[in-house]
Amino acid sequence: SQKIEQNSEALNIQEGKTATLTCNYTNYSPAYLQWYRQDPGRGPVFLLLIRENEKEKRKERLKVTFDTTLKQSLFHITASQPADSATYLCALEGTYKYIFGTGTRLKVLA
Amino acid sequence: SAVISQKPSRDICQRGTSLTIQCQVDSQVTMMFWYRQQPGQSLTLIATANQGSEATYESGFVIDKFPISRPNLTFSTLTVSNMSPEDSSIYLCSVEGDTEAFFGQGTRLTVV
Repeated sequence: SQKIEQNSEALNIQEGKTATLTCNYTNYSPAYLQWYRQDPGRGPVFLLLIRENEKEKRKERLKVTFDTTLKQSLFHITASQPADSATYLCALEGTYKYIFGTGTRLKVLA
Repeated sequence: SAVISQKPSRDICQRGTSLTIQCQVDSQVTMMFWYRQQPGQSLTLIATANQGSEATYESGFVIDKFPISRPNLTFSTLTVSNMSPEDSSIYLCSVEGDTEAFFGQGTRLTVV
Protein backbone atom coordinates (compact mmCIF):
# COMPACT_ATOMS: atom_id res chain seq x y z
CA SER A 1 0.00 0.00 0.00
CA GLN A 2 1.05 3.62 -0.46
CA LYS A 3 3.05 4.88 2.46
CA ILE A 4 4.72 8.13 3.48
CA GLU A 5 7.42 8.37 6.12
CA GLN A 6 8.59 11.48 7.89
CA ASN A 7 11.01 11.67 10.77
CA SER A 8 8.76 11.45 13.80
CA GLU A 9 11.41 12.87 16.09
CA ALA A 10 11.29 16.58 16.71
CA LEU A 11 13.90 18.73 15.03
CA ASN A 12 15.47 21.50 17.10
CA ILE A 13 17.63 24.10 15.37
CA GLN A 14 19.08 27.47 16.19
CA GLU A 15 17.54 30.61 14.79
CA GLY A 16 19.16 31.64 11.53
CA LYS A 17 20.11 28.12 10.52
CA THR A 18 18.56 26.09 7.71
CA ALA A 19 16.05 23.44 8.71
CA THR A 20 15.81 20.38 6.47
CA LEU A 21 12.91 17.96 6.75
CA THR A 22 12.64 14.68 4.89
CA CYS A 23 9.68 12.90 3.33
CA ASN A 24 10.03 9.41 1.84
CA TYR A 25 7.32 7.48 0.08
CA THR A 26 6.87 3.96 -1.23
CA ASN A 27 4.67 2.01 -3.60
CA TYR A 28 3.59 4.99 -5.61
CA SER A 29 4.65 7.41 -8.32
CA PRO A 30 2.77 10.62 -7.51
CA ALA A 31 2.20 13.34 -10.05
CA TYR A 32 2.97 15.86 -7.31
CA LEU A 33 3.81 16.16 -3.65
CA GLN A 34 2.66 18.79 -1.18
CA TRP A 35 3.93 20.30 2.05
CA TYR A 36 1.68 21.68 4.80
CA ARG A 37 2.27 23.49 8.04
CA GLN A 38 0.22 22.67 11.13
CA ASP A 39 0.23 24.74 14.29
CA PRO A 40 -1.09 23.35 17.60
CA GLY A 41 -4.88 23.44 17.69
CA ARG A 42 -5.14 24.33 14.02
CA GLY A 43 -5.75 22.50 10.78
CA PRO A 44 -2.92 22.05 8.25
CA VAL A 45 -2.21 24.95 5.91
CA PHE A 46 -0.91 24.37 2.40
CA LEU A 47 2.59 25.71 1.72
CA LEU A 48 4.05 24.34 -1.48
CA LEU A 49 3.46 21.84 -4.24
CA ILE A 50 6.13 20.28 -6.42
CA ARG A 51 5.37 18.25 -9.52
CA GLU A 52 7.14 15.11 -10.66
CA ASN A 53 8.88 16.94 -13.50
CA GLU A 54 10.23 19.65 -11.19
CA LYS A 55 13.47 19.14 -9.30
CA GLU A 56 13.14 22.16 -7.06
CA LYS A 57 10.57 24.75 -6.04
CA ARG A 58 11.08 27.92 -4.02
CA LYS A 59 8.80 30.28 -2.15
CA GLU A 60 10.42 33.03 -0.11
CA ARG A 61 12.54 31.21 2.51
CA LEU A 62 11.12 27.81 1.61
CA LYS A 63 12.65 25.34 -0.81
CA VAL A 64 11.35 21.92 -1.77
CA THR A 65 13.15 19.28 -3.80
CA PHE A 66 11.65 16.17 -5.34
CA ASP A 67 13.70 13.12 -6.33
CA THR A 68 11.44 10.60 -8.01
CA THR A 69 14.28 8.08 -8.25
CA LEU A 70 14.93 8.11 -4.53
CA LYS A 71 11.19 8.62 -3.86
CA GLN A 72 12.05 11.46 -1.56
CA SER A 73 11.26 15.12 -1.01
CA LEU A 74 13.31 17.51 1.08
CA PHE A 75 11.80 20.64 2.63
CA HIS A 76 14.18 23.44 3.58
CA ILE A 77 13.55 26.58 5.60
CA THR A 78 16.43 29.00 5.31
CA ALA A 79 17.23 31.70 7.88
CA SER A 80 14.84 29.98 10.26
CA GLN A 81 12.91 31.99 12.83
CA PRO A 82 11.12 31.00 16.06
CA ALA A 83 7.85 31.73 14.22
CA ASP A 84 8.67 28.81 11.92
CA SER A 85 8.18 26.42 14.83
CA ALA A 86 5.35 24.08 13.86
CA THR A 87 4.67 20.58 12.55
CA TYR A 88 5.29 20.11 8.84
CA LEU A 89 3.40 17.46 6.91
CA CYS A 90 4.06 16.11 3.46
CA ALA A 91 1.27 14.64 1.38
CA LEU A 92 0.85 13.02 -1.97
CA GLU A 93 -2.14 12.40 -4.13
CA GLY A 94 -3.11 8.77 -3.80
CA THR A 95 -5.46 6.81 -6.00
CA TYR A 96 -8.47 8.88 -4.99
CA LYS A 97 -7.47 10.71 -1.84
CA TYR A 98 -4.57 12.55 -0.30
CA ILE A 99 -2.17 10.53 1.83
CA PHE A 100 -0.44 12.41 4.63
CA GLY A 101 2.74 11.72 6.52
CA THR A 102 2.83 11.86 10.31
CA GLY A 103 4.64 15.17 10.22
CA THR A 104 7.88 16.41 11.72
CA ARG A 105 7.76 18.88 14.58
CA LEU A 106 10.24 21.70 14.12
CA LYS A 107 11.34 23.96 16.95
CA VAL A 108 13.49 26.97 16.18
CA LEU A 109 15.41 28.14 19.21
CA ALA A 110 16.03 31.84 19.72
CA SER B 1 -8.93 28.99 -2.08
CA ALA B 2 -11.57 28.08 0.48
CA VAL B 3 -12.27 29.22 4.02
CA ILE B 4 -13.69 26.60 6.32
CA SER B 5 -15.35 27.28 9.66
CA GLN B 6 -15.46 24.30 11.94
CA LYS B 7 -17.04 24.06 15.36
CA PRO B 8 -16.74 23.32 18.15
CA SER B 9 -12.99 23.85 18.37
CA ARG B 10 -12.80 21.54 21.36
CA ASP B 11 -15.02 19.59 23.68
CA ILE B 12 -14.83 17.23 26.62
CA CYS B 13 -17.52 14.57 26.52
CA GLN B 14 -18.72 11.73 28.68
CA ARG B 15 -18.35 8.22 27.33
CA GLY B 16 -21.50 6.87 25.76
CA THR B 17 -22.65 10.26 24.50
CA SER B 18 -22.48 11.70 20.98
CA LEU B 19 -20.95 14.87 19.58
CA THR B 20 -21.82 16.56 16.30
CA ILE B 21 -19.15 18.61 14.56
CA GLN B 22 -20.18 21.22 12.03
CA CYS B 23 -18.26 22.43 9.01
CA GLN B 24 -19.19 25.45 6.87
CA VAL B 25 -17.38 26.35 3.64
CA ASP B 26 -17.42 29.81 2.06
CA SER B 27 -18.02 28.39 -1.42
CA GLN B 28 -19.93 25.54 -3.00
CA VAL B 29 -17.98 22.31 -3.21
CA THR B 30 -18.90 18.89 -4.49
CA MET B 31 -17.00 16.83 -1.94
CA MET B 32 -16.16 17.41 1.68
CA PHE B 33 -13.79 15.18 3.60
CA TRP B 34 -13.64 14.23 7.26
CA TYR B 35 -10.32 13.23 8.84
CA ARG B 36 -9.19 12.01 12.22
CA GLN B 37 -5.75 12.87 13.60
CA GLN B 38 -4.73 10.89 16.65
CA PRO B 39 -1.74 12.02 18.71
CA GLY B 40 1.49 11.41 16.84
CA GLN B 41 -0.37 9.97 13.87
CA SER B 42 -1.02 11.13 10.36
CA LEU B 43 -4.36 12.35 9.12
CA THR B 44 -6.65 9.40 8.49
CA LEU B 45 -9.58 9.83 6.14
CA ILE B 46 -12.87 8.81 7.75
CA ALA B 47 -15.27 9.45 4.91
CA THR B 48 -16.09 11.54 1.87
CA ALA B 49 -19.37 13.45 1.94
CA ASN B 50 -21.14 14.21 -1.33
CA GLN B 51 -24.22 16.37 -1.43
CA GLY B 52 -27.33 14.36 -2.25
CA SER B 53 -25.88 10.91 -1.65
CA GLU B 54 -24.65 8.67 1.12
CA ALA B 55 -21.18 9.35 2.43
CA THR B 56 -18.42 6.97 1.38
CA TYR B 57 -16.57 5.49 4.36
CA GLU B 58 -12.99 4.29 4.48
CA SER B 59 -12.02 0.89 5.76
CA GLY B 60 -12.37 0.73 9.52
CA PHE B 61 -15.04 3.43 9.75
CA VAL B 62 -18.79 2.77 9.72
CA ILE B 63 -21.86 4.91 9.35
CA ASP B 64 -23.38 3.85 12.67
CA LYS B 65 -20.36 5.18 14.53
CA PHE B 66 -19.70 8.26 12.36
CA PRO B 67 -22.93 9.37 10.70
CA ILE B 68 -22.46 12.25 8.27
CA SER B 69 -24.92 14.74 6.87
CA ARG B 70 -24.45 16.86 3.75
CA PRO B 71 -27.62 18.90 3.31
CA ASN B 72 -26.15 21.37 0.78
CA LEU B 73 -22.98 22.26 -1.10
CA THR B 74 -21.49 24.40 1.68
CA PHE B 75 -22.21 22.48 4.88
CA SER B 76 -21.58 19.10 6.48
CA THR B 77 -21.71 17.53 9.91
CA LEU B 78 -19.91 14.55 11.41
CA THR B 79 -21.30 12.87 14.50
CA VAL B 80 -19.13 10.75 16.75
CA SER B 81 -21.57 8.34 18.36
CA ASN B 82 -21.49 6.34 21.56
CA MET B 83 -18.09 7.75 22.37
CA SER B 84 -15.33 5.95 24.21
CA PRO B 85 -11.91 7.23 25.32
CA GLU B 86 -10.44 5.72 22.14
CA ASP B 87 -12.36 8.34 20.15
CA SER B 88 -10.29 11.11 21.75
CA SER B 89 -8.65 12.76 18.80
CA ILE B 90 -8.65 15.79 16.53
CA TYR B 91 -11.32 15.73 13.84
CA LEU B 92 -10.86 17.84 10.73
CA CYS B 93 -13.05 18.67 7.80
CA SER B 94 -11.48 19.46 4.46
CA VAL B 95 -12.22 20.44 0.89
CA GLU B 96 -9.95 20.15 -2.10
CA GLY B 97 -8.84 22.79 -4.52
CA ASP B 98 -7.17 22.04 -7.83
CA THR B 99 -3.95 20.84 -6.27
CA GLU B 100 -4.21 21.28 -2.53
CA ALA B 101 -6.44 20.62 0.45
CA PHE B 102 -8.01 23.23 2.70
CA PHE B 103 -8.82 22.40 6.31
CA GLY B 104 -10.99 23.66 9.09
CA GLN B 105 -9.33 24.52 12.39
CA GLY B 106 -10.13 21.09 13.77
CA THR B 107 -12.13 19.85 16.73
CA ARG B 108 -10.14 18.50 19.66
CA LEU B 109 -12.31 15.88 21.30
CA THR B 110 -11.56 14.39 24.71
CA VAL B 111 -13.74 11.56 25.96
CA VAL B 112 -13.70 10.90 29.69
